[in-house]
Amino acid sequence: EVQLVESGGDLVQPGGSLRLPCVASGFRISSYWMTWVRQAPGKGLEWVANINQDGSQKNYADSVKGRFTISRDNAENSLYLQMNSLRAEDTAVYYCARVSLSDWGEDYWGQGTLVTVSS
Amino acid sequence: DIQMTQSPSSVSASVGDRVTITCRASQGISSRLAWYQQKRGKAPKLLINAASTLQSGVPSRFSGSGSGTEFTLTISSLQPEDFATYYCQQTNSFPFTFGPGTKVDIK
Repeated sequence: EVQLVESGGDLVQPGGSLRLPCVASGFRISSYWMTWVRQAPGKGLEWVANINQDGSQKNYADSVKGRFTISRDNAENSLYLQMNSLRAEDTAVYYCARVSLSDWGEDYWGQGTLVTVSS
Repeated sequence: DIQMTQSPSSVSASVGDRVTITCRASQGISSRLAWYQQKRGKAPKLLINAASTLQSGVPSRFSGSGSGTEFTLTISSLQPEDFATYYCQQTNSFPFTFGPGTKVDIK
């Protein structure tokens, strides 16, 4: 069974940092592009970043470029999101997701982890 | 970046109704569009990618069409489990972007 489990969500002060891990099971992430998507409370979905199979290609939303870093450890079957210089507007549930092999689109999602940025 | 819009923002419908949601891109995206369903408190679920390819396990009452800048998601006969928010996402160029969502609720 394919599973993605995010963790690391917390209350953090503005300007602080946080690292979110996402552990995959039931498949090898080494074969897939992987994505982070976030959703602010009561709001819509926002695509954050993605990374290709070997980590050589990374793409970011303008809203997080230069502050967030996506990475992966294929040996550990894990995806990460390093978030620096956090702002109140980064408050959201963060989902990790697997990109479909057949075409773009995220076909499996984790349950999400809540990041709250507040003083 | 490519901007996505959806209409309507919400729709009230009854079980058995036909529901159509429109998604428009600010520039041409070929057939690079995905549709998701999200229920309250849950992660999104991929319904359709490549504008019209139904994902495995998704009921055939869902269908997608369109290319270029205008796309539609149609639910041919609304079922109780279909009340949710639906999002489109362009997958043509990075950064990928989502539409603002369409909430389908009970009339």
